Amino acid sequence: DQQVKQNSPSLSVQEGRISILNCDYTNSMFDYFLWYKKYPAEGPTFLISISSIKDKNEDGRFTVFLNKSAKHLSLHIVPSQPGDSAVYFCAASGRYGGSQGNLIFGKGTKLSVKP
Amino acid sequence: DTGVSQNPRHKITKRGQNVTFRCDPISEHNRLYWYRQTLGQGPEFLTYFQNEAQLEKSRLLSDRFSAERPKGSFSTLEIQRTEQGDSAMYLCATPGRGMHTEAFFGQGTRLTVV
Repeated sequence: DQQVKQNSPSLSVQEGRISILNCDYTNSMFDYFLWYKKYPAEGPTFLISISSIKDKNEDGRFTVFLNKSAKHLSLHIVPSQPGDSAVYFCAASGRYGGSQGNLIFGKGTKLSVKP
Repeated sequence: DTGVSQNPRHKITKRGQNVTFRCDPISEHNRLYWYRQTLGQGPEFLTYFQNEAQLEKSRLLSDRFSAERPKGSFSTLEIQRTEQGDSAMYLCATPGRGMHTEAFFGQGTRLTVV
């Protein structure tokens, strides 16, 4: 049973437009959420995170929104650039959902940004 | 530079052979994690070390898998009698500075069992 779900396997957007990647989770004990970006043949690279006490965190072109009541988070990339093309993973951690801080990942969404 | 070096980057082995991967954190970290990523999946937690003590193992870590972290520095992950289902990317990670685990991953070891 997947505790972190990314229901869109792929997303295609035009350069300069907004990319919105979505993630849902089922375990209400998760208290920290992260987004990672992964290029082929490389390890995931940490992008941005958010604590459950917040509903928004922004870092440059990347903003993560958290809706705890809906158990939903999203990553917004504005403006999208061709270099953003990669697989994006949503991850969650918490004392009970992921003990000792280990992360539980979704299956990823492949983002393609077209010039 | 993620601060984690993994060797080898790629490993092709015949079914039934043993393989060993190594993870070297560039700076000292009390905690070290191993994850596995198969095609079409996100990384999955395998095991976790606090210094040299292996504190948690996932159900994914069968008896054929063993991990060590002597002296609390580098770590090794060994798979005995490899099976085709072991083909995956094996990732090592260390935590960030905050109290939460913003894990920083190495580039991984891609294992192909033929």
